[in-house]
Amino acid sequence: DTGVSQDPRHKITKRGQNVTFRCDPISEHNRLYWYRQTLGQGPEFLTYFQNEAQLEKSRLLSDRFSAERPKGSFSTLEIQRTEQGDSAMYLCASSLGTGGQPQHFGDGTRLSIL
Amino acid sequence: DAKTTQPPSMDCAEGRAANLPCNHSTISGNEYVYWYRQIHSQGPQYIIHGLKNNETNEMASLIITEDRKSSTLILPHATLRDTAVYYCIVRGLAGNDMRFGAGTRLTVKP
Repeated sequence: DTGVSQDPRHKITKRGQNVTFRCDPISEHNRLYWYRQTLGQGPEFLTYFQNEAQLEKSRLLSDRFSAERPKGSFSTLEIQRTEQGDSAMYLCASSLGTGGQPQHFGDGTRLSIL
Repeated sequence: DAKTTQPPSMDCAEGRAANLPCNHSTISGNEYVYWYRQIHSQGPQYIIHGLKNNETNEMASLIITEDRKSSTLILPHATLRDTAVYYCIVRGLAGNDMRFGAGTRLTVKP
């Protein structure tokens, strides 16, 4: 399978714990995006990278959220001190960075906070 | 980025064409129209996109009006597996995010 891969698919944790999710984009894609989706809503943009540079992070939900893409390939999204409201699906997408190319999404990590 | 308006739900009979409308009356000249769909518990799946001309691929056809203020996604022979939420999104070349609205919940019925 050469699509966007996310790990884990499901994460259950207690409130206050830190969690980290991984995204492996399509190999030739230089742009990588993170979104959050809550029940009944469309995905909501969080941040994106072009290669290893994080070019937009103002829409991360709070300073508890951070993302990295250290070598311009896979990315991680970390949530520190999780809260009940962080329960959601976290989606990753990737694209080529040119001319209106579409984003291709993974199947997400579903986070449940107990 | 321009906003889009889609009907909240539609039904379609299996084997018939499903025509999903989208209004984007404030679209700018350099903004593309993208369609995605999302089946429960999966990520959004890219379907098709276009700028001015009509487009067709193995999944669907996209018809964009001449004034570009609306578009229609056509699934030529809907199957039960096409039941999903369909999102119409407009985004310019400089845009970074796909701004998803509520979409249209399409139900294909036997």
